[in-house]
Amino acid sequence: NAGVTQTPKFQVLKTGQSMTLQCAQDMNHNSMYWYRQDPGMGLRLIYYSASEGTTDKGEVPNGYNVSRLNKREFSLRLESAAPSQTSVYFCASSEVETGAYTGELFFGEGSRLTVL
Amino acid sequence: LAKTTQPISMDSYEGQEVNITCSHNNIATNDYITWYQQFPSQGPRFIIQGYKTKVTNEVASLFIPADRKSSTLSLPRVSLSDTAVYYCLVPTGANNLFFGTGTRLTVIP
Repeated sequence: NAGVTQTPKFQVLKTGQSMTLQCAQDMNHNSMYWYRQDPGMGLRLIYYSASEGTTDKGEVPNGYNVSRLNKREFSLRLESAAPSQTSVYFCASSEVETGAYTGELFFGEGSRLTVL
Repeated sequence: LAKTTQPISMDSYEGQEVNITCSHNNIATNDYITWYQQFPSQGPRFIIQGYKTKVTNEVASLFIPADRKSSTLSLPRVSLSDTAVYYCLVPTGANNLFFGTGTRLTVIP
């Protein structure tokens, strides 16, 4: 029972390099999310995907791009990494119930990214 | 936008009941209130959710007054393992989930 799986778990980049964080869920959820969490801070929503084929910006989308590859997978790309993007990145998924959204999110273990 | 406001931190002794209150003045009619727990180096974990009055599960209770503009998470008889950050979450729409800064609970022996 894997739930939400993120890769890689750790990554060190140099300023200007690019990379993609991968996320996959096996719960057949429609919605997927990418958050970042800076040290001692709360989570901030970067992008989300309400369903396969759709993506929308969250609170802090600048410097990131996303792809909802299929229902299972949602990737986050940093085209030109900056030190300000040093953070822990969490992927999450949820199921939206008809009539009333219940809000239960299932999170991955996180990807720790350092940009030098 | 149903933004939430919580105390930044709380301390409690082991064995005591802890109540953490969250304000969400702009909550919409169909919004649920959800609480999460986060340990260091882990993703948040769902604790409890409710719409109105009181909800109880094996971990916590959630109290929601009639106007739904606030909610209180109650943790009975906390232990050291309950030391964590607790987030109150009120979706702003069907899929727009914003976390606040959370409440850092420290349980003291």
